[in-house]
Amino acid sequence: EVHLLESGGGLVKPGGSLRLSCAASGFAFSTYSMNWVRQAPGKGLEWVSSISVSSTYKYYADSVKGRFTISRDDAKNSLYLQMNSLRAEDMAVYYCARGVGVWPPWFDPWGQGTLVTVSS
Amino acid sequence: EIVMTQSPATLSVSPGERATLSCRASQSVSTSLAWYQQKPGQAPRLLIYGASTRATGIPARFSGSGSGTEFTLTISSLQSEDFAVYFCHHYNNWPPLFGGGTKVEIK
Repeated sequence: EVHLLESGGGLVKPGGSLRLSCAASGFAFSTYSMNWVRQAPGKGLEWVSSISVSSTYKYYADSVKGRFTISRDDAKNSLYLQMNSLRAEDMAVYYCARGVGVWPPWFDPWGQGTLVTVSS
Repeated sequence: EIVMTQSPATLSVSPGERATLSCRASQSVSTSLAWYQQKPGQAPRLLIYGASTRATGIPARFSGSGSGTEFTLTISSLQSEDFAVYFCHHYNNWPPLFGGGTKVEIK
């Protein structure tokens, strides 16, 4: 069974940093693109970042460009999101999702999410 | 960037009735359109990709149609487990974007 498990969320002060992780299992991780999508409390879904197979291509939403960095470790079947200079508007549940099909991909499945709270 | 607009924001439907949800793109996305279902406290689940192809394990009562800028998700006979929020998502180019969602509630 395909499974994605995020971790690393928590409370951080504005301007602080946090590193999210996503552990993948049940599929050939290295052969899929991977993605981060976030959802602010009570709001809709916002695509954050995508990384292609072999880390060849990385894309970011304008709202996080220059502050967030996506990476992957295929040996550990893991996806990461390094978040720096965090702002109140970054507060959200962060989901990792496997990319499927074309590029950009659609997302299937999604992890259960990890909550990032930005507050002083 | 392509803006995705979903309507209505809330849809009140009785169990057993048909629900029709709309998603409009500000410019053509061909058939690069997916639909997701999200229940409270849960992650989104893929329902439809390629505008009309059901994902694995999705019941036949869910169907998607459309191309270009106009898309529809139809739930033919609403079951209790279908009351949720539904999001459309274009993946035609970067950045891929989601619609604001349609909440399907019990009438």
